[in-house]
Amino acid sequence: LAKTTQPISMDSYEGQEVNITCSHNNIATNDYITWYQQFPSQGPRFIIQGYKTKVTNEVASLFIPADRKSSTLSLPRVSLSDTAVYYCLVVTTNTDKLIFGTGTRLQVFP
Amino acid sequence: KAGVTQTPRYLIKTRGQQVTLSCSPISGHRSVSWYQQTPGQGLQFLFEYFSETQRNKGNFPGRFSGRQFSNSRSEMNVSTLELGDSALYLCASSPGGGYEKLFFGSGTQLSVL
Repeated sequence: LAKTTQPISMDSYEGQEVNITCSHNNIATNDYITWYQQFPSQGPRFIIQGYKTKVTNEVASLFIPADRKSSTLSLPRVSLSDTAVYYCLVVTTNTDKLIFGTGTRLQVFP
Repeated sequence: KAGVTQTPRYLIKTRGQQVTLSCSPISGHRSVSWYQQTPGQGLQFLFEYFSETQRNKGNFPGRFSGRQFSNSRSEMNVSTLELGDSALYLCASSPGGGYEKLFFGSGTQLSVL
């Protein structure tokens, strides 16, 4: 069963690129990875989802290496409004288990 | 489109009581799933309903139960409340049967005294 770990916190400055990594050593072949952003007093909000290699959308990129034991969420040119907690989620398709990461608190400074 | 709506927003109960939380999914979404979020345990999956049937279940005791109605609205019930049940309870909806993209509500903050 996949177990996910993330750094507890990260600091950045406006305009910088931020990379948040999630480790999921026991990920199985058909499991997929999703990332969510959560602000205080709100539910998580979908950012991006991927299975392998690289996925890009209008707000982020997701890099998944060939061994799939980790994934990296990349936020280009962060702003103050990106200050939030970011969660990875591994969904195991053969058993339908949802394993959330511990969350990374990103603080963006001006 | 209106988002996922959860009621009530805040709830205070005492040990031993039971509680029912409500979730209205995005119109057209047939899957509703529930999650518990605590500072200690983080985000944990409770269960999922699709077309009025529980299709998936996390590792929680039987005191946690739910149901889904024909209009896809869902309720979650916790019986015999314990102090450790204090948490933010989130529901999420999705159009179909998978978990690829979940739309979360703002949650119900439950405090058990």
